[in-house]
Amino acid sequence: DQQVKQNSPSLSVQEGRISILNCDYTNSMFDYFLWYKKYPAEGPTFLISISSIKDKNEDGRFTVFLNKSAKHLSLHIVPSQPGDSAVYFCAASPRRSGANSKLTFGKGITLSVRP
Amino acid sequence: DTEVTQTPKHLVMGMTNKKSLKCEQHMGHRAMYWYKQKAKKPPELMFVYSYEKLSINESVPSRFSPECPNSSLLNLHLHALQPEDSALYLCASSQGTLGYGYTFGSGTRLTVV
Repeated sequence: DQQVKQNSPSLSVQEGRISILNCDYTNSMFDYFLWYKKYPAEGPTFLISISSIKDKNEDGRFTVFLNKSAKHLSLHIVPSQPGDSAVYFCAASPRRSGANSKLTFGKGITLSVRP
Repeated sequence: DTEVTQTPKHLVMGMTNKKSLKCEQHMGHRAMYWYKQKAKKPPELMFVYSYEKLSINESVPSRFSPECPNSSLLNLHLHALQPEDSALYLCASSQGTLGYGYTFGSGTRLTVV
């Protein structure tokens, strides 16, 4: 049973446009959500996070939105750049924060930004 | 130093071999993790070390044996692996809260023949 779902395997957008990557979760114990980007042959790189007490967090071109009632979050990238082309993983962690936290990842979505 | 360094980058081993994967970080992070990632699948947690003590073992078979010699090093000892254990093994570390996420290494690509 997958607790973090990224139902679209891929997304292609034009450079300069907005990329919207979606993620749904089923476990109501999840309290913290993160997005990671992964290039081939590299480990995942942390992008942005959001706590369940917020509904939006912004960092430069990246904004994450959280809708707790719908158990849905999304990552907006605007404007999209060709260097953003990568696999994006949504991840979630339960209420227990700290060094023992366990991240549960979605399957990832491959973003392609066309020049 | 803001990196997690994993060695080797690639490893091919037979089913009767014993090998070790190594992970090192010098960011002062007190939690370190081993994740396993199969092709086109998400990373899956194997072990968590907190303050050099094993705190989470996700029911990993005993042919995988983690070790944390000190706060900067994390090893994964491998013995009698199966071909289905072939995967990318990722090490990560984190500070006390998730606000900064985990820092992942680039992984060890393991092939069991």
